[in-house]
Amino acid sequence: GDSVTQMEGPVTLSEEAFLTINCTYTATGYPSLFWYVQYPGEGLQLLLKATKADDKGSNKGFEATYRKETTSFHLEKGSVQVSDSAVYFCALSETGGSYIPTFGRGTSLIVHP
Amino acid sequence: DGGITQSPKYLFRKEGQNVTLSCEQNLNHDAMYWYRQDPGQGLRLIYYSQIVNDFQKGDIAEGYSVSREKKESFPLTVTSAQKNPTAFYLCASSPRRGERQPQHFGDGTRLSIL
Repeated sequence: GDSVTQMEGPVTLSEEAFLTINCTYTATGYPSLFWYVQYPGEGLQLLLKATKADDKGSNKGFEATYRKETTSFHLEKGSVQVSDSAVYFCALSETGGSYIPTFGRGTSLIVHP
Repeated sequence: DGGITQSPKYLFRKEGQNVTLSCEQNLNHDAMYWYRQDPGQGLRLIYYSQIVNDFQKGDIAEGYSVSREKKESFPLTVTSAQKNPTAFYLCASSPRRGERQPQHFGDGTRLSIL
């Protein structure tokens, strides 16, 4: 079956540091890939998405590129802020009559001033 | 603005009591989902529905029940058979079954035992 693997957290960074959160996937077809962010006490919000190989999703300074050859969708940001502290989830969704999205376990990011 | 509304934000359950969590969406989405999230854990699927009057069990359906009488509404009942109900519950929706679309999430309900 499909699966999504994220790096273990927490990831702890100082403000203005470079961020990478690794995400790799296995899928039988050609999925769309997503990053969601969850702030404390809230639901998940879509951060960015990519629907085909080599697409780059971007939003709020975050970027991720759909790499079919390495089955990866790593999240990056050049300069993190304290307000980026949250849990980040990588997910995929395929076509199919009753397909349910597959989520990674989430990676907690803590940014210190 | 369209979105998903979950209520209440906090809920307390007494021993032997059933409680119902509300989830309403005005996005005109066909598919709706319930997830459970425990501290430091990912999302676990409880139930999902891809059309009115039809729903399927997810990975951890035991002790829970749902209904889907209207497209906009997908309430979750946590029954007394669920012995460890303390968790954060998230409702989500997506436009149509089988399409590669992102899910939209509510702000969650935190359920605790009294």
